[in-house]
Amino acid sequence: NAGVTQTPKFQVLKTGQSMTLQCAQDMNHNSMYWYRQDPGMGLRLIYYSASEGTTDKGEVPNGYNVSRLNKREFSLRLESAAPSQTSVYFCASSHIYEQYFGPGTRLTVT
Amino acid sequence: GQSLEQPSEVTAVEGAIVQINCTYQTSGFYGLSWYQQHDGGAPTFLSYNALDGLEETGRFSSFLSRSDSYGYLLLQELQMKDSASYFCAAMNSGYSTLTFGKGTMLLVSP
Repeated sequence: NAGVTQTPKFQVLKTGQSMTLQCAQDMNHNSMYWYRQDPGMGLRLIYYSASEGTTDKGEVPNGYNVSRLNKREFSLRLESAAPSQTSVYFCASSHIYEQYFGPGTRLTVT
Repeated sequence: GQSLEQPSEVTAVEGAIVQINCTYQTSGFYGLSWYQQHDGGAPTFLSYNALDGLEETGRFSSFLSRSDSYGYLLLQELQMKDSASYFCAAMNSGYSTLTFGKGTMLLVSP
């Protein structure tokens, strides 16, 4: 099992560009999450999907959109990137109370 | 919503015991989780306390007191590889989402 995979691992964008971060899990989990992690800020929830076909906002959803493509895949889209979105983005899936994280995408917006 | 407080940094020596405290303010609190993260890599699950008391998993133990809105992670027989960031996280109602603290960096020296 690969667990949770994320692509790309690194990305540099210019202000105003758009991009989609991809996430997939092979553990047959219903729930999936997107977090951002900034220095000294811990992990903050952007969006989550409790099951296929549903998505909900987390703590910091502004500037992002998500799509739960199927049970395996949950993507995060930045429509118009801003320097404030420079961060490390983690995708996760969960089984009951345990969350499994992907390796992260390190995004820099210049 | 939830907010969690934990120390930003703790230092200890190999072989020692260290306790990382976490206090929380909550609505809809289900339980307290702990995650470990090495050098910005993927966070990994350590433990979950749904009920008051101590949960032991090998060298790591976690404690919860709902009446005091307080928990801690206890690491025994510290090893150099335990140097990492440790996050407490509150499970929100229905096992839907986690709210993370800002993390405690543990530095283990020889």
